[in-house]
Amino acid sequence: QSALTQPASVSGSPGQSITISCTGTSSDIGNLNLVSWYQQDPGKAPKVLIYEVSKRPSGISSRFSGSKSGNTASLTISGLQAEDEAEYYCSSHSSGDALLFGGGTKLTVL
Amino acid sequence: QVQLQESGPGLLKPSETLSLTCTVSGDLISTSDHWWGWIRQPPGKGLEWLGIIFSRGQTHDNASLKSRVTLSVDTSKNQFSLRLNSVTAADTAVYYCARQFGLGRWYLDVWGRGSLVTVSS
Repeated sequence: QSALTQPASVSGSPGQSITISCTGTSSDIGNLNLVSWYQQDPGKAPKVLIYEVSKRPSGISSRFSGSKSGNTASLTISGLQAEDEAEYYCSSHSSGDALLFGGGTKLTVL
Repeated sequence: QVQLQESGPGLLKPSETLSLTCTVSGDLISTSDHWWGWIRQPPGKGLEWLGIIFSRGQTHDNASLKSRVTLSVDTSKNQFSLRLNSVTAADTAVYYCARQFGLGRWYLDVWGRGSLVTVSS
């Protein structure tokens, strides 16, 4: 099982919107709507932002949204803020009942 | 408020067995609908899912680790554990325990703070 593919880095200015892609296969992302996204600050544990493609846990800002098309999932952050600068990981259920992670994307707020 | 806390040795020699325990508070493993899992992160690298266990002992694990992983649960102590045998330097990582929400939901909603394990001779 290979890791999901994410861009290594993205950047944006405060107030802008950015999108992070996460590409998998028909055995993982394209199979079921079980994609989630995590935010990780340096030295901290990851925190779930999105689950089941587009659902937000209680307490997560509506500026974070998720979507999926075919074998690619996306995380969009609107109204970018300095505090959004972090590492972002996607994950997906994979056939054989395993969980795959993407390689991570570093978001820089310019 | 659910909290998870990893514990175990921080330094191992090559070929030894890594053993970590996760203590859960605020939720009862024995009656919970959730699964309990382990994820690791080598220094400066991404996340790798190791496996999950349910209260009755059912497990799913990462096939790429070629059966080096053993998961167990102790409901009397409200703990679950990870054993990884024959460690090498490549197993050096921060090891997180986490709660995998619900049955078939496949996302991790509560994480421990992580425990750094270094493998070095």
